[in-house]
Amino acid sequence: AQSVTQPDIHITVSEGASLELRCNYSYGATPYLFWYVQSPGQGLQLLLKYFSGDTLVQGIKGFEAEFKRSQSSFNLRKPSVHWSDAAEYFCAVGAWGYSTLTFGKGTMLLVSP
Amino acid sequence: DSGVTQTPKHLITATGQRVTLRCSPRSGDLSVYWYQQSLDQGLQFLIQYYNGEERAKGNILERFSAQQFPDLHSELNLSSLELGDSALYFCASSVGRGVLQETQYFGPGTRLLVL
Repeated sequence: AQSVTQPDIHITVSEGASLELRCNYSYGATPYLFWYVQSPGQGLQLLLKYFSGDTLVQGIKGFEAEFKRSQSSFNLRKPSVHWSDAAEYFCAVGAWGYSTLTFGKGTMLLVSP
Repeated sequence: DSGVTQTPKHLITATGQRVTLRCSPRSGDLSVYWYQQSLDQGLQFLIQYYNGEERAKGNILERFSAQQFPDLHSELNLSSLELGDSALYFCASSVGRGVLQETQYFGPGTRLLVL
């Protein structure tokens, strides 16, 4: 069975600074990987996804993520954080042929002025 | 706004009771998914329906059941409620039968508090 670990429960970043959120997955075959964002009082919104091909994936809102098979990681990055990025971020993994996702516990991003 | 609507937004009830959560998918979407988000378990997939039929099942308790109606809206029924069922319940929808290439669009959730 697949699993996802997000080692940081919360992270504080200064506005304008760069951001990297960590995600490690466990899955025997090639995973399908996702990052979602949940703003306060909102549902989850898909930021980006990786299925195959280029290991650097571009998403919405200026986010990108890099798939590293050797490290079983799919870290989310943004070069310059805005106060509106404060939210909870979830990494998820799926298996080919199945429609279900396994989510990590999430990382809460706080943005300081 | 994702286009997925959920009612009610909040629900407070007592242990042993039964509640029904409702979800309307985006226009044209055929699949509906239910998720439970709690502090200890995180975000967990419960069940998926595609065009009225159950397609995938996750960590859904036997006390919980769901269905999707001909107009494609879905209801999640929670019975014999326990304190531990207090959580945020999300509904999501996607356009087809739910292969991973399809984006799932999430509703704002129903927050359930069991006292």
